[in-house]
Formats: sequence, structure tokens, C-alpha cells
Amino acid sequence: EAGVAQSPRYKIIEKRQSVAFWCNPISGHATLYWYQQILGQGPKLLIQFQNNGVVDDSQLPKDRFSAERLKGVDSTLKIQPAKLEDSAVYLCASSLDLATGTQYFGPGTRLTVT
Amino acid sequence: AQSVTQLDSQVPVFEEAPVELRCNYSSSVSVYLFWYVQYPNQGLQLLLKYLSGSTLVKGINGFEAEFNKSQTSFHLRKPSVHISDTAEYFCAVRGEADSNYQLIWGAGTKLIIKP
Repeated sequence: EAGVAQSPRYKIIEKRQSVAFWCNPISGHATLYWYQQILGQGPKLLIQFQNNGVVDDSQLPKDRFSAERLKGVDSTLKIQPAKLEDSAVYLCASSLDLATGTQYFGPGTRLTVT
Repeated sequence: AQSVTQLDSQVPVFEEAPVELRCNYSSSVSVYLFWYVQYPNQGLQLLLKYLSGSTLVKGINGFEAEFNKSQTSFHLRKPSVHISDTAEYFCAVRGEADSNYQLIWGAGTKLIIKP
């Protein structure tokens, strides 16, 4: 089966610009996660969707970050305006089996803000 | 709430030598435990997981981990490493009864294989 797809793989922008990332989860996976991974750290959950509803967005900086999953399948994460500290890898993951917590990850988008 | 500590940020080891990557967790409830691997410029991939039953869990690529409830540890081991094992390894925990099914992640351990 196809894995989690993400695009773009790399993005370089200047501070105060906007950027959007796209994720297509594994077919049939109801749960979708966006993580931010700063160099040298573990993933930090930004937002979790169950179908097209938000389960948890407590760590999403809502003044600049937004995410949507309108039809309960693919999702976009947007940053507007970007700051230098947003430089990180943005990982998308999906999960079918909520009870056991196994998450399947995409390759990530590496964002550099200059 | 749970937390995870990976005691070593980097572990250098010679090729074909054994390795142990340490993971300790803190939780007041029963937990599920996971090890994920991240190869350079790739996403994370599940190595193995402990849900219940046998405390010795075998995963992919010859890795295994042992759940030790009394020491709240879930150390990852491999008897003989290869160059291809060069990667970053993340331990993660989830409360068994957590309704949001979220993972709490350690900071990662970089495994460096010396030829």
C-alpha cells in the first residue's frame, strides 16, 4: 500500500513570508497528525485530526499556524507569517489502529526560514 | 502525564559490536511503549512496540527491546550492528487509557557506527 505522502520535501522562505505543506495519509486512516521536529529534538505534536475534526491543537501557535482537513483525507498546514524559529522538519503521520498507537510517517518537509 | 528520557544523545559503536540504547519513562498509569527509527532525510519508521504480554519484544532489522516495569525502562538492543543501522532512534510512550492516543517522545539517540 502507498505510504504517507508529503510535499514539498524542502522549502526555503524569508521571515514574514507564508508557506503551506500538504499531506496525504494512508488510505483509510482516520487519524492524522502534524508534528514539528526541530534539529536535535523529538517530534512535537502540533495538531491531531480524527476524520475532519480537530482532536487536539493545544500546541499549535494559532496566531501564525493553521491546519485543515476538509474532507477527512488530505490535509494542509500553513504558516503565516513565518519566523526564524519555525525552521524545522514538519512531519505528517497517520494512524488506523488508535488502540495501539502505531503511527505511519511521511518523509517530512524541511523548512528553512532565513 | 507521561514523560520519556533517552539518556544518551549519541552512541558511537564499532561495526559488528552489540549496542544498547537506553529509554526510561515516567507514568502513573500502564503504558504502551514504542521505538521508532529515523534514517537520514526520511520520516520515522516503527521498529517495535510493547502493548502487553511478553516483556521481550522483537522488531525489525534484528532489534529487540525489554520492558522493565520496576525500572520503568524500555531499552533497545541489537547483538551486532551494521553500517546501515546508522540513524536516529526515538523512544515514545502512550498511556494505555489515554483517550487522545497521543505519543510522548524522547529527544532521540543518534547511533553512529564506526567502521
